[in-house]
Amino acid sequence: SQTIHQWPATLVQPVGSPLSLECTVEGTSNPNLYWYRQAAGRGLQLLFYSVGIGQISSEVPQNLSASRPQDRQFILSSKKLLLSDSGFYLCAWSDDSRQPQHFGDGTRLSIL
Amino acid sequence: LAKTTQPISMDSYEGQEVNITCSHNNIATNDYITWYQQFPSQGPRFIIQGYKTKVTNEVASLFIPADRKSSTLSLPRVSLSDTAVYYCLVGGDTGTASKLTFGTGTRLQVTL
Repeated sequence: SQTIHQWPATLVQPVGSPLSLECTVEGTSNPNLYWYRQAAGRGLQLLFYSVGIGQISSEVPQNLSASRPQDRQFILSSKKLLLSDSGFYLCAWSDDSRQPQHFGDGTRLSIL
Repeated sequence: LAKTTQPISMDSYEGQEVNITCSHNNIATNDYITWYQQFPSQGPRFIIQGYKTKVTNEVASLFIPADRKSSTLSLPRVSLSDTAVYYCLVGGDTGTASKLTFGTGTRLQVTL
């Protein structure tokens, strides 16, 4: 069966520090991969999605970036975090754009 | 871009049927309608997906009228554990993940 792993579960970082969140999927090949951010009490905002290795589409201009170095690995990064980057970050996968997405447990990021 | 609109919140007593409606007036021909459930500090979980008419699975039913401009998630005999936020997602054209749009979500509160 397919599984998705996201880590860390929680992270506290100072303003201006770098960020690297990792997401891996097991049990499937060539999945669509997604990064979302959810502010407290708000809905999900799609940040990035990828349909293949090295293929990244950005939805929202920001100081975040994403990379897909391997088929089932999706990384969210930042060189310098801002206070506004705080939130709940969720990774998801799907077989294609029409299929339901399956989410990880999320990373709660707090910027001090 | 198929924007969705849902009620912000709903209340129900345990054992009742709950119907949550999502409006998506600009739904595209190839868009699917997908509903998710989210508990606090967890990633959304897939509930049901449909394209037209009615879809039923072991936990819910999804009703989609002929014009597809809205959809209704029906939860039979809710329990306290169904207290969660429910999201309607419209989209899914292959290769157009950028058009996937989560609604604002409906916060369902179930009480005794």
